[in-house]
Amino acid sequence: AQRVTQPEKLLSVFKGAPVELKCNYSYSGSPELFWYVQYSRQRLQLLLRHISRESIKGFTADLNKGETSFHLKKPFAQEEDSAMYYCALQHNAGNMLTFGGGTRLMVKP
Amino acid sequence: KAGVTQTPRYLIKTRGQQVTLSCSPISGHRSVSWYQQTPGQGLQFLFEYFSETQRNKGNFPGRFSGRQFSNSRSEMNVSTLELGDSALYLCASSLAAGYSPTIYFGEGSWLTVV
Repeated sequence: AQRVTQPEKLLSVFKGAPVELKCNYSYSGSPELFWYVQYSRQRLQLLLRHISRESIKGFTADLNKGETSFHLKKPFAQEEDSAMYYCALQHNAGNMLTFGGGTRLMVKP
Repeated sequence: KAGVTQTPRYLIKTRGQQVTLSCSPISGHRSVSWYQQTPGQGLQFLFEYFSETQRNKGNFPGRFSGRQFSNSRSEMNVSTLELGDSALYLCASSLAAGYSPTIYFGEGSWLTVV
């Protein structure tokens, strides 16, 4: 069965420090992986997807099939990055997402 | 263009009652899915509709049901409400049935069961 695990519920860093939010998955097929972000009082929104291999707001994520991981990284955290981050796996059949439990990122000044 | 719109935003119901939540997808989007978000269980997939047909269903009891209309608007219904049904219910829409389309979420409907 598909599963997404985010081991840290809370990650607290200082402004300017590097950030890595961990995500591990289990899925029998070829996974489509995403990071979603939810800022305070805003709706859940897509941050980035692995197939795009893009950098959004300075964040990047690399799919490591050997380690079944899709960690989100940013070299220098900003206060405005404080939010809830969810790793999600999209199933091949349809628009169905399996989410991890989420990590709350707090960036302190 | 307008985002995914959900109504009502907040509601309080009593145990045993039923509730209907409504979702209007982004114009042109034909896939609508529903998620339940709770502090304990996180975000869990309920079901997905595409062209008025349920395409996927999560692991929820039969008290949870949904439907999609010809204009792609969707409703979900929960019957015989239980205290544990208190949650934020999120609707999401996407453009097509194709592989990995971007999924857009609404602000959600906050349901409290007392």
